[in-house]
Amino acid sequence: QKEVEQNSGPLSVPEGAIASLNCTYSDRGSQSFFWYRQYSGKSPELIMFIYSNGDKEDGRFTAQLNKASQYVSLLIRDSQPSDSATYLCAVNGGTSYGKLTFGQGTILTVHP
Amino acid sequence: DGGITQSPKYLFRKEGQNVTLSCEQNLNHDAMYWYRQDPGQGLRLIYYSQIVNDFQKGDIAEGYSVSREKKESFPLTVTSAQKNPTAFYLCASSGNNEQFFGPGTRLTVL
Repeated sequence: QKEVEQNSGPLSVPEGAIASLNCTYSDRGSQSFFWYRQYSGKSPELIMFIYSNGDKEDGRFTAQLNKASQYVSLLIRDSQPSDSATYLCAVNGGTSYGKLTFGQGTILTVHP
Repeated sequence: DGGITQSPKYLFRKEGQNVTLSCEQNLNHDAMYWYRQDPGQGLRLIYYSQIVNDFQKGDIAEGYSVSREKKESFPLTVTSAQKNPTAFYLCASSGNNEQFFGPGTRLTVL
């Protein structure tokens, strides 16, 4: 079983729709959860982080965390073609300072 | 401007050569990291350092070496022992919990 697993893609949504990206993790001691956006050929950019159960909203992005189910998700409302990228879920296991484990990424395409 | 710089952007290596990738940050971050990304894959941790003069192996350290002589700098050497070094190399730093990435170095073995 992979330590951090993301829903298989690619994911294609129409412009204006909600894109839902999902991630599960195996380490119950995980403390911090991050979503990065990576455009083709570029480095990852941190777009959201969440530490507590529940929802965290920032503009069109909402991160959701459920530690009991070991599940974290990212919702993108009013999706735009500029949101087309690979989204990486990363988890800090809490045992090694700052050490992140990444999922394999989900490719999102928003079509006009 | 505060940020993380990596050089060079592209690097070509011949078989049997060692090469060193540069990573510098002026964010006053204590921790620095090196990751490798292969096509269609997530990031895998090579080495990380929490303080100057100290570093730990990540998940795929074989064939790589690092040093941390200054807080701002964390160079990565890809040695000839690394059998499949062609990849996108990413350096990151963090001051508390969030990690931020440099622009990356794309290494190709000829």
